[in-house]
Amino acid sequence: DQQVKQNSPSLSVQEGRISILNCDYTNSMFDYFLWYKKYPAEGPTFLISISSIKDKNEDGRFTVFLNKSAKHLSLHIVPSQPGDSAVYFCAASRGAQKLVFGQGTRLTINP
Amino acid sequence: DAGVTQSPTHLIKTRGQHVTLRCSPISGHKSVSWYQQVLGQGPQFIFQYYEKEERGRGNFPDRFSARQFPNYSSELNVNALLLGDSALYLCASTWDISRSTEAFFGQGTRLTVV
Repeated sequence: DQQVKQNSPSLSVQEGRISILNCDYTNSMFDYFLWYKKYPAEGPTFLISISSIKDKNEDGRFTVFLNKSAKHLSLHIVPSQPGDSAVYFCAASRGAQKLVFGQGTRLTINP
Repeated sequence: DAGVTQSPTHLIKTRGQHVTLRCSPISGHKSVSWYQQVLGQGPQFIFQYYEKEERGRGNFPDRFSARQFPNYSSELNVNALLLGDSALYLCASTWDISRSTEAFFGQGTRLTVV
């Protein structure tokens, strides 16, 4: 039962353009959503989060949008930079319980 | 400030053996969680500990166990290793569990079972 899904295994974007990573979830009890970035041989690095009471949260080049009616969230990165090339995971939680992760999307930023 | 530290970084074990993985949370963080990440998938929750008590357990067999010490560090133990236990084991810490908050991960322990 995959409660959090990232349907795009990979995404390729030109440097300077916008990267949009998508995530869908099925459990309406989730109340907190997070995005992590992961480089090979490293642990996931926290990027940005959003509470279910909000629909948008912005931090520098990163913005997360939450559409609760569609059970969909997205991460926008603008402008995209070569250092953004990594695997991105979305995760969701209910209360302070475990994080449920998607399968990840590999983002490649092309010069 | 030190982040979440895990040891060892890499480990090779033989089927049937036992392994102990260690984690030190960020200073001030009282909750530690363990996750298993196999190739091509997202991390899967194994355990959560807070104030030395188990607060959550994922869908893993009883061969997996863990504990948290008074200094909030934690150990993950896996008995009777199987080839399928080969994975990256991640430890994450949060400062408490009273509300949803971001978890910070260590670099992981890469376990290879041969």
